[in-house]
Amino acid sequence: DTAVSQTPKYLVTQMGNDKSIKCEQNLGHDTMYWYKQDSKKFLKIMFSYNNKELIINETVPNRFSPKSPDKAHLNLHINSLELGDSAVYFCASSQGLAGGPGELFFGEGSRLTVL
Amino acid sequence: KNEVEQSPQNLTAQEGEFITINCSYSVGISALHWLQQHPGGGIVSLFMLSSGKKKHGRLIATINIQEKHSSLHITASHPRDSAVYICAVPPIQGAQKLVFGQGTRLTINP
Repeated sequence: DTAVSQTPKYLVTQMGNDKSIKCEQNLGHDTMYWYKQDSKKFLKIMFSYNNKELIINETVPNRFSPKSPDKAHLNLHINSLELGDSAVYFCASSQGLAGGPGELFFGEGSRLTVL
Repeated sequence: KNEVEQSPQNLTAQEGEFITINCSYSVGISALHWLQQHPGGGIVSLFMLSSGKKKHGRLIATINIQEKHSSLHITASHPRDSAVYICAVPPIQGAQKLVFGQGTRLTINP
């Protein structure tokens, strides 16, 4: 059983298109995240949801819209794709603790290529 | 805001060598995370620690809260340990997110 699963694994699309990435976790965690890993392999937080509520929204263009229908799912929709959006997007989940995130569990990543 | 620095950025060693990767951070934290990113791209959590030392198999992580420093050690390294190792901490105490070091790319040659 995959703990955190995200689909699709690969996305190749033209500039200006809209695309979505889906994420599901079966760990019972209350917090889910989207991270972006750029071409230099640097990981950066984009969004965090706790029990379906947005708690962290880093300075991400509003072309990116996360949606959490329930605490086991966190989807990412991207409008009007740009070349600079090409990256690997990782979904993750953890149990939130008082001092910060608990152990993180990552999805396999979704490699987005914008042509 | 917490800055996270790792060293070295790249490390190449022979099979069997003892490996040390270092991580320094600037702000007081509750816990530090060590992650491993495989050549295939997947990321797994290795350790989450707030004091002292933890051990999983050949991997050992230590942390010195006063000095704001953590080390990841690999004993009897093996080519399958080749990966990028990343440390991460909350930017401030209690923040429900992590900031990441730039990673250390480890290559173990047979």
